[in-house]
Amino acid sequence: DAMVIQNPRYQVTQFGKPVTLSCSQTLNHNVMYWYQQKSSQAPKLLFHYYDKDFNNEADTPDNFQSRRPNTSFCFLDIRSPGLGDAAMYLCATSREGGEQFFGPGTRLTVL
Amino acid sequence: AQKITQTQPGMFVQEKEAVTLDCTYDTSDPSYGLFWYKQPSSGEMIFLIYQGSYDQQNATEGRYSLNFQKARKSANLVISASQLGDSAMYFCAMREGLTGGGNKLTFGTGTQLKVEL
Repeated sequence: DAMVIQNPRYQVTQFGKPVTLSCSQTLNHNVMYWYQQKSSQAPKLLFHYYDKDFNNEADTPDNFQSRRPNTSFCFLDIRSPGLGDAAMYLCATSREGGEQFFGPGTRLTVL
Repeated sequence: AQKITQTQPGMFVQEKEAVTLDCTYDTSDPSYGLFWYKQPSSGEMIFLIYQGSYDQQNATEGRYSLNFQKARKSANLVISASQLGDSAMYFCAMREGLTGGGNKLTFGTGTQLKVEL
C-alpha cells in the first residue's frame, strides 16, 4: 500500500545531542511537510518542501533544519535539542491542492 | 485572532448515537478548504473529510458528514452511528487558497471524543 513512513517511531536523545528524524513516502507526492505537535496541542507546521523548494515558517527556530534529497525522502534535523523540543513530529505529504496524508509520527523524548 | 476554533475540548457520546463536533473558522480569502482529521492515541492523523469553499453540497464520506454553513463560517463534523473505535481526538483544519504550492493547514485545538457503551 502507498503510504507515509516515519522512522523511528520513538526517539530518545540527550539534551544538546543532534538528532535526525526521517520520513519516506511511496505516494509520489511533490509536497512534504514537517509538523511539531506537543502534548494536547494542535500540530504546528515547521516547514514544507514544494518539490525542491524549501519553505520555512517564520516562527520555526533555527535549531530545526530539513533536507529533502529526493522526492521520496525528507529529514528533520534538530541540531541541539532542548527539553522544550520534546514532542510528536509528524510528516505529511500531498499533491498540490490535495489533502495531506500523514505518517504515524515520531515521538521524541529529550533527557 | 484564531483562524480555526473548536470550542469543545471533550465530548461524550453513546455507541450508535450521532454526534456533532463544532468548528468555526475565520478567513478573508474567498477560496479555502476545510478538513477534518482523526487522531487516535497512536498519534497518526487520519484524513476524514474535505469541503471546498465553492462546493454547493455538504461533503459526506460514509458515516461522516460535514455541515457547512458558509455565512456562519462553520464546518461542523457529524458522525452518525458512533462506534467505540471512533474514540479519538478530532481536528478541524483550514487551507487558505484552493491550490498553489504548499497547502498550509491551520489546525484547531481539537476535540477529544469518547464513545461509551
